[in-house]
Amino acid sequence: EDQVTQSPEALRLQEGESSSLNCSYTVSGLRGLFWYRQDPGKGPEFLFTLYSAGEEKEKERLKATLTKKESFLHITAPKPEDSATYLCAVQAGTASKLTFGTGTRLQVTL
Amino acid sequence: ETGVTQTPRHLVMGMTNKKSLKCEQHLGHNAMYWYKQSAKKPLELMFVYNFKEQTENNSVPSRFSPECPNSSHLFLHLHTLQPEDSALYLCASSQDGRGGTLHFGNGTRLTVT
Repeated sequence: EDQVTQSPEALRLQEGESSSLNCSYTVSGLRGLFWYRQDPGKGPEFLFTLYSAGEEKEKERLKATLTKKESFLHITAPKPEDSATYLCAVQAGTASKLTFGTGTRLQVTL
Repeated sequence: ETGVTQTPRHLVMGMTNKKSLKCEQHLGHNAMYWYKQSAKKPLELMFVYNFKEQTENNSVPSRFSPECPNSSHLFLHLHTLQPEDSALYLCASSQDGRGGTLHFGNGTRLTVT
């Protein structure tokens, strides 16, 4: 069974304090790893898809990386508007479904 | 309207009520999904429709009944729910039923009393 574990569960950063969120996964035949951002009271918003180990993608202050066992979401010099829950999901094998982690709740303070 | 729209945003219902959730997507996608999101739990896939045909039912109790009249609209009919069914119900769409990038609506917050 596919498993996705995200850590930490919650993270509090000061504005400008860079850090990383972790998503470790156990799957058979990774087809894609997805990062989403979810604001309170809203649905998840797509950020990135990574397909193979070594791949990296960037968007503003966010950079996602992928290895054979985990993915990191690096946040450089975060701002308060980066506060949200970040969700990781994997798609594997012949399945069409995505398996989600429980998310990391990020709070960035002034 | 753009993206994926869900109505109502909030719903409070008694255990004997019947209600429906509605989802509409304006992205030209062919697959639509219902997910359940509960506190401290991962998103749970409930149903998948691809070109109006149900392709996945993730062992969901029969008190939840989906309907997909066309590729743009998806309903979730609710009846005789339990308090543990209280959650955020999210609709999503994708280009096709092979999964991949999902586009979510903002959900319906359901409270069962």
